[in-house]
Amino acid sequence: DQQVKQNSPSLSVQEGRISILNCDYTNSMFDYFLWYKKYPAEGPTFLISISSIKDKNEDGRFTVFLNKSAKHLSLHIVPSQPGDSAVYFCAGTQGGSEKLVFGKGTKLTVNP
Amino acid sequence: DAGVIQSPRHEVTEMGQEVTLRCKPISGHNSLFWYRQTMMRGLELLIYFNNNVPIDDSGMPEDRFSAKMPNASFSTLKIQPSEPRDSAVYFCASSFDRYEQYFGPGTRLTVT
Repeated sequence: DQQVKQNSPSLSVQEGRISILNCDYTNSMFDYFLWYKKYPAEGPTFLISISSIKDKNEDGRFTVFLNKSAKHLSLHIVPSQPGDSAVYFCAGTQGGSEKLVFGKGTKLTVNP
Repeated sequence: DAGVIQSPRHEVTEMGQEVTLRCKPISGHNSLFWYRQTMMRGLELLIYFNNNVPIDDSGMPEDRFSAKMPNASFSTLKIQPSEPRDSAVYFCASSFDRYEQYFGPGTRLTVT
């Protein structure tokens, strides 16, 4: 039972263009979502989050959008840079629990 | 701050041997998490502690796995006996009363 799904294993974009990474969830109790970025041979690092009371959260080049009715969220990176090349994980949690449920990740490649 | 420290970074062992993975969380953090990452299952939570007390161990795959947190600055994940299907990257993460978790660099375990 995969509660968080990232259906695109990989994505390739040109430097300077927009990267859009998608995530779907099935657990309607989730009320907080996070994105993590992971470089090879390193642990995931927190990138940005959003509460279910919002539909958008922005931090510099990174924006997360939440569509609760569709149980869908997306991460937009504008403009994309080669240093953004990494695996991106989406995670959800519910009701103040510290337990995060992760998707399997999307590998983003930004080409110079 | 040194971040979350894990040791060893790489472990190669033979089937049937005992394996002990170690983690030092970030000083002041009160929650500690053990994750396993595989290609098939992605990043899955095994167990987490709050104030050194195990809160949720529902992700521990079987009795061969055990985890302890004897104090606020140290935790171990033990596999006894190890099997080839335990081969994975094991991450430790810590947090302080927040959803954002800080991950260590991981231990890559290979069981032959």
